[in-house]
Amino acid sequence: ETGVTQTPRHLVMGMTNKKSLKCEQHLGHNAMYWYKQSAKKPLELMFVYNFKEQTENNSVPSRFSPECPNSSHLFLHLHTLQPEDSALYLCASSPLLGSSAGELFFGEGSRLTVL
Amino acid sequence: AQSVTQLGSHVSVSEGALVLLRCNYSSSVPPYLFWYVQYPNQGLQLLLKYTTGATLVKGINGFEAEFKKSETSFHLTKPSAHMSDAAEYFCAVSDLAGGTSYGKLTFGQGTILTVHP
Repeated sequence: ETGVTQTPRHLVMGMTNKKSLKCEQHLGHNAMYWYKQSAKKPLELMFVYNFKEQTENNSVPSRFSPECPNSSHLFLHLHTLQPEDSALYLCASSPLLGSSAGELFFGEGSRLTVL
Repeated sequence: AQSVTQLGSHVSVSEGALVLLRCNYSSSVPPYLFWYVQYPNQGLQLLLKYTTGATLVKGINGFEAEFKKSETSFHLTKPSAHMSDAAEYFCAVSDLAGGTSYGKLTFGQGTILTVHP
């Protein structure tokens, strides 16, 4: 059982739709991440939130809009996406202290298909 | 800047044979190194990690990896492959030791392991 839950697991949307991906972690971690996993490409870090503050935006297009209302929840709002944005979007969290510091705990991902 | 190179996007072994997945890294600070495994339609699960101390690290499911600073390598091995080991494996390096307040992982491109009966 994962401590990081992502919904929905699968999403199909048109290029003009607005949708959101949700991530919730039950591990008491203070850092949360969005990664994009495309076929035949390394995992790409998109955003990092540290104590609810965005500390990293890896040159992500503005059609992806993250939101972190608290340390347990992370959203990725999607608007006017392109077919090349189809991918598996992975959420992760990590503790900042302790023996697991820096270790990422991943959710199962949201498979996004843009038509 | 950090980077990770995994040699071989696909590795195929017979059940019971040695598994060797190669990973080389570059890092401007002492690295924290990780191996993750991803089964189909699932997220990534930690296999093992190296932070400091003993350079031979043991993980779950019988896997282990050795940190070799002189070779900038962190290869993953398992003495005897099992069918259930078939998955994609990712090597990653973190800059946490460099003083950042969180660990930003840079991943390799992944190696798909196939295990034949």
